[in-house]
Amino acid sequence: ETGVTQTPRHLVMGMTNKKSLKCEQHLGHNAMYWYKQSAKKPLELMFVYSLEERVENNSVPSRFSPECPNSSHLFLHLHTLQPEDSALYLCASSQDLLAESSSTDTQYFGPGTRLTVL
Amino acid sequence: GQQLNQSPQSMFIQEGEDVSMNCTSSSIFNTWLWYKQDPGEGPVLLIALYKAGELTSNGRLTAQFGITRKDSFLNISASIPSDVGIYFCAGTLSYAGNMLTFGGGTRLMVKP
Repeated sequence: ETGVTQTPRHLVMGMTNKKSLKCEQHLGHNAMYWYKQSAKKPLELMFVYSLEERVENNSVPSRFSPECPNSSHLFLHLHTLQPEDSALYLCASSQDLLAESSSTDTQYFGPGTRLTVL
Repeated sequence: GQQLNQSPQSMFIQEGEDVSMNCTSSSIFNTWLWYKQDPGEGPVLLIALYKAGELTSNGRLTAQFGITRKDSFLNISASIPSDVGIYFCAGTLSYAGNMLTFGGGTRLMVKP
């Protein structure tokens, strides 16, 4: 148990569906992240939020829409996805985004949502 | 973008053997982290390294932050079946705060 929870753990959806992934962190952290993990690829950073403000959007298609209503919750809204979007979606959090070089802060991951798009 | 070269990509070893994997980069990193990921789960932090030359142990795991700040290794001694999984190195660059750059992972398989 890392203090970061994600729901649902598994999701199967059609290309015309709309669904949302939820992430909650119980660590009092200020920064939250969405990653995509596809088979045989390194983790891909999708979005970064710091103090509920989006600070990074790594050229992610608009069919993925993040939302951070408060520092403990992060959502990823999905609509009109493609089969190639099937992957493990991981949420992570860290105390802060901008760390001093001497900081011991680091990222903690949730268990992920396994998404299958039919 | 910045890349971390992690090797080997996979290892198949006998229970009881020692394991070594490493990550290298052409860039200087402030932090080196080692994560383990079990099937269907998120990465779990194993060891974090914050100073060049630092050598840190966590049970049977030992990791070092290279003196040049461009590499790190992870050793697992006396492997057991539950060591099976994918091991990722990750690092933070001096200008990127807590944004992580990940290696491609090392898949470890242990034969009982």
